[in-house]
Amino acid sequence: IAGITQAPTSQILAAGRRMTLRCTQDMRHNAMYWYRQDLGLGLRLIHYSNTAGTTGKGEVPDGYSVSRANTDDFPLTLASAVPSQTSVYFCASRGREGGEAFFGQGTRLTVV
Amino acid sequence: GQNIDQPTEMTATEGAIVQINCTYQTSGFNGLFWYQQHAGEAPTFLSYNVLDGLEEKGRFSSFLSRSKGYSYLLLKELQMKDSASYLCAVLDSNYQLIWGAGTKLIIKP
Repeated sequence: IAGITQAPTSQILAAGRRMTLRCTQDMRHNAMYWYRQDLGLGLRLIHYSNTAGTTGKGEVPDGYSVSRANTDDFPLTLASAVPSQTSVYFCASRGREGGEAFFGQGTRLTVV
Repeated sequence: GQNIDQPTEMTATEGAIVQINCTYQTSGFNGLFWYQQHAGEAPTFLSYNVLDGLEEKGRFSSFLSRSKGYSYLLLKELQMKDSASYLCAVLDSNYQLIWGAGTKLIIKP
C-alpha cells in the first residue's frame, strides 16, 4: 500500500442494503475524512476523525456512520442505503494541522 | 456561515494564460489550498498559501490577499492536459478544510 487506498472502486447497491466503504492509509496521518462529491456541489464533508479513537460529524452526516479503531483505517458505513446516496465518495488524510490533504482514488456508488 | 466562491466554468486557449479566482469568508484562516482534479480522478495538491503574496511553481502560480479574502491560481502556457477542475479550499480556525465547488477549466486548441 502506498498512500491512501479505498475499496471498492465502484459498487451498485440495492436500496435498503448495508454497505461499508473501506479506507486505509499508510502515512501515519492523524486526521482522516470522508467526502461525497456530486456534480455542481463540490466536496461535502460527511464525517471526520482528528485522531484514532475520535470521530466528528461533518456537513452531511445523516445516513452514514464511521469508526476509527486505529490510525490507518477509517471505514464509512451506510446502514440502509437510499438512492440519494448515489455519489462519488472520497477518503482523505492529513498529517499535520497545516498540511495538505491526500485523497484516495474514490468509490463510485450507485444506489438503485 | 462559511463560504468559498469560484467561477463554475472557464474556457481558455492552448498556450495562453488563465487566472482562476477564489473569494472566501470563513471563521478564521490558517491557509488556502489549490487542488487539481481531472475528470473521474481524485483531487491532487497544487499549492498552499498562508502569507500574502505570490507563490510560483513552474507554470502554476498562486496568489493570496488575506485582507481581501481573495486568492487566484494563474496557469501559464496552457496545455491540453490542464483541462480539469480546480478546487479552492481554506483551512478555518479549527484547521478544518472548507471547499469551494470548483472551477471547470476547458482548454481549446
